[in-house]
Amino acid sequence: NAGVTQTPKFQVLKTGQSMTLQCAQDMNHEYMSWYRQDPGMGLRLIHYSVGAGITDQGEVPNGYNVSRSTTEDFPLRLLSAAPSQTSVYFCASSYSGSGSSYNEQFFGPGTRLTVL
Amino acid sequence: SQQGEEDPQALSIQEGENATMNCSYKTSINNLQWYRQNSGRGLVHLILIRSNEREKHSGRLRVTLDTSKKSSSLLITASRAADTASYFCATDAITFGSGTQLTVLP
Repeated sequence: NAGVTQTPKFQVLKTGQSMTLQCAQDMNHEYMSWYRQDPGMGLRLIHYSVGAGITDQGEVPNGYNVSRSTTEDFPLRLLSAAPSQTSVYFCASSYSGSGSSYNEQFFGPGTRLTVL
Repeated sequence: SQQGEEDPQALSIQEGENATMNCSYKTSINNLQWYRQNSGRGLVHLILIRSNEREKHSGRLRVTLDTSKKSSSLLITASRAADTASYFCATDAITFGSGTQLTVLP
């Protein structure tokens, strides 16, 4: 199993550009999520999904869109990049979502995004 | 706002010593998890403790949970240089703290 994969590993954008960060998992996990990690801030939840066709907002959703058409994929779209979105983005998946005992999260290696 | 907050922010110890990190949170939880992050990598799950458990062990790791004080601690015994990493607590695997940077000196 590849686990959770993310592409690209690094990306530089100019202000106003759009792009999609890809995330895929091969563990048949229902729950997937996107976090951003800024220095000294820990991880903040952007969006999450409890299954195909279902998404919801996290703590910092503004400027990001997600969709979940399949169990395996959970792309994150930046519609109009801003310097404040410079961060490291992590995708994660788990067997089930918040509230359950069985929700160890598996993380991807991250995408380091710089917006100029 | 972040549910979990780790303390201390940074910790430096000698190899072989024990390392203790603390996590405080604000609202009731179903479970609390600890993760490790090596520099430039994703997070790796270490241990999960449920709200009805008080202590859990996994190898050199010992986690305690005090729901009355809304706090948890992670103890790493007989630390090794390879334990150098950032350690995060997460409540219900949703909200992460800002982490403790542990440095183990050889």
